[in-house]
Amino acid sequence: EAGVTQFPSHSVIEKGQTVTLRCDPISGHDNLYWYRRVMGKEIKFLLHFVKESKQDESGMPNNRFLAERTGGTYSTLKVQPAELEDSGVYFCARSQDWTIRNTIYFGEGSWLTVV
Amino acid sequence: SQQGEEDPQALSIQEGENATMNCSYKTSINNLQWYRQNSGRGLVHLILIRSNEREKHSGRLRVTLDTSKKSSSLLITASRAADTASYFCATGLNSGGSNYKLTFGKGTLLTVNP
Repeated sequence: EAGVTQFPSHSVIEKGQTVTLRCDPISGHDNLYWYRRVMGKEIKFLLHFVKESKQDESGMPNNRFLAERTGGTYSTLKVQPAELEDSGVYFCARSQDWTIRNTIYFGEGSWLTVV
Repeated sequence: SQQGEEDPQALSIQEGENATMNCSYKTSINNLQWYRQNSGRGLVHLILIRSNEREKHSGRLRVTLDTSKKSSSLLITASRAADTASYFCATGLNSGGSNYKLTFGKGTLLTVNP
């Protein structure tokens, strides 16, 4: 029902390595979001795509994070180089529009551990 | 600054009892959405209530919204062990154009004991 597929579901990498997370929403949903929850903290907004354009990337923590959405379909979130504090769960979400009736559906998350 | 804040942080009840979780927020909103997260799983959308609505029902769920007090509550009636999860409120705000995003609270961990 969520209509959002995330890959990988779990990843363990060493500090300094690169990880790329992928999100595939069902077709026809122009809005795609990335959120993350690091250990002990709240779920935080990272960025919002409308089709292939970055509508709002105010939540991206620093320039080690790069998000793309080629052709307005799937999206990737790359962390390079990964740091210990990047460990957490990264959620991708989709919605059909941005009106007040906007329901946002989340995927299962990509659980990242940086060691 | 933090937007949503759930209360209580943790709640433990017996099966069959009702569970009430509260959420307060600080700024204006367009809507408020409640989510559930089972341990190690994704966020499951439960219900959306718009800022001009006061109450919504969905199955055993009842959500209220009081925009004057900037608060919302989620009531789960006749709870089951399967309801054990973390529950999050998220305020939705359109800040202009197609700029819309959710701001989450810290969540309430609900444990329903069989």
